[in-house]
Amino acid sequence: QVQLVQSGAEVKKPGASVEVSCKASGYTFSNYGISWVRQVPGQGPEWMGWISAYNSNTNYAQKFQDRVTLSTDTSTDTAYMELRSLTSDDTAVYYCARDPGTRVFTYWGQGTLVTVSS
Amino acid sequence: EIVLTQSPATLSLSPGERATLSCRASQSISDYLAWYQQKPGQAPRLLIYDASYRATGIPARFSGSGSGTDFTLTISSLQPEDFGVYYCQQRSTWPFNFGPGTKVDIK
Repeated sequence: QVQLVQSGAEVKKPGASVEVSCKASGYTFSNYGISWVRQVPGQGPEWMGWISAYNSNTNYAQKFQDRVTLSTDTSTDTAYMELRSLTSDDTAVYYCARDPGTRVFTYWGQGTLVTVSS
Repeated sequence: EIVLTQSPATLSLSPGERATLSCRASQSISDYLAWYQQKPGQAPRLLIYDASYRATGIPARFSGSGSGTDFTLTISSLQPEDFGVYYCQQRSTWPFNFGPGTKVDIK
């Protein structure tokens, strides 16, 4: 069965960077992409960007374009999301979701809480 | 950027009642709309994609309709496990954003 398992919760100081990982299993990793979605507590989800696990092509939301980097490691079937220059507004749960390029999110990771606090 | 508006913000219903949730887009998105259910502490769960297609394993009491700018999610007879927050999401135009949600709770 398809599973996406994310790394654990993080606490970061303002100005720092965070990297969240998403390990895929149960399907051929390189046949799909991964989208990253975040959710600030009490708000709706927010799409951040997408990466193809086949050729590493990326597509970022303009809001995050200057601060986020998506990458994949096909040797370990793992996707990564790095977010830089963190502020308290970045405190949120970050999700990865399998995305064949259609932006229909059938499978999700369990979420990673990132807390930004001084 | 396309803006999605959901109404009502909260819907208080009893088990067995019919629920009707609305999602309106600021411009036409054809039928590129999905609906998700989310419960506390869980990731969103895909219910409906492309306005009216149920995702695998989703019960028939969930149905979606609409096209262009106005969309509806209907739950024909609410079950206890259906309470939670429902989000619509458009995949017509970058960025592929979500609505603010409708909370369905027990009356």
